[in-house]
Amino acid sequence: AQSVAQPEDQVNVAEGNPLTVKCTYSVSGNPYLFWYVQYPNRGLQFLLKYITGDNLVKGSYGFEAEFNKSQTSFHLKKPSALVSDSALYFCAVRALQNQAGTALIFGKGTTLSVSS
Amino acid sequence: KAGVTQTPRYLIKTRGQQVTLSCSPISGHRSVSWYQQTPGQGLQFLFEYFSETQRNKGNFPGRFSGRQFSNSRSEMNVSTLELGDSALYLCASSNPGQGDTGELFFGEGSRLTVL
Repeated sequence: AQSVAQPEDQVNVAEGNPLTVKCTYSVSGNPYLFWYVQYPNRGLQFLLKYITGDNLVKGSYGFEAEFNKSQTSFHLKKPSALVSDSALYFCAVRALQNQAGTALIFGKGTTLSVSS
Repeated sequence: KAGVTQTPRYLIKTRGQQVTLSCSPISGHRSVSWYQQTPGQGLQFLFEYFSETQRNKGNFPGRFSGRQFSNSRSEMNVSTLELGDSALYLCASSNPGQGDTGELFFGEGSRLTVL
């Protein structure tokens, strides 16, 4: 069965420090991987994606993520956190094979809290 | 380009009632999918419609249904509401096929409270 795991419910980091939000996945075939961010009472905003190519992908607001096929991970990173980065972050996977459609499987989400 | 529009944004219903939520996708997008978000279960896939046909369905009871119109607008309906149906319902659009860039574009959601 396909799944996404975000092992940390919450990540706390001081402003200016680097941040990492972890994600591992389990899917048959080659996955599309995504990170989304959600602010309170809002929809999900797309941050970045990995489909193919370079394992390090860059996205919106200075975020980047590294795809590691051997570890089936897709961790979200940012070199220097901002207080405004505080939000709920979701990792998601879409399997290409054996699935028609665009349905995403989401992790449980990780709350990022950046203190000033 | 206008984003995904969901209406209503907030609504309150009582148990046993039914509710209809509406979603207008980004212009040109032919796929609309629906997700339920709750604190306990997180984001769960409800169903996806493409060219007026449901082509994927999540693990939800038959009380949850949807449809898509020829202009790609979609509605979802929940009948015989239960307290546990209280959630944020998110609609997302995409354009599978040649124009597919992979990601989904989400609306702001419809917050349903069942009393």
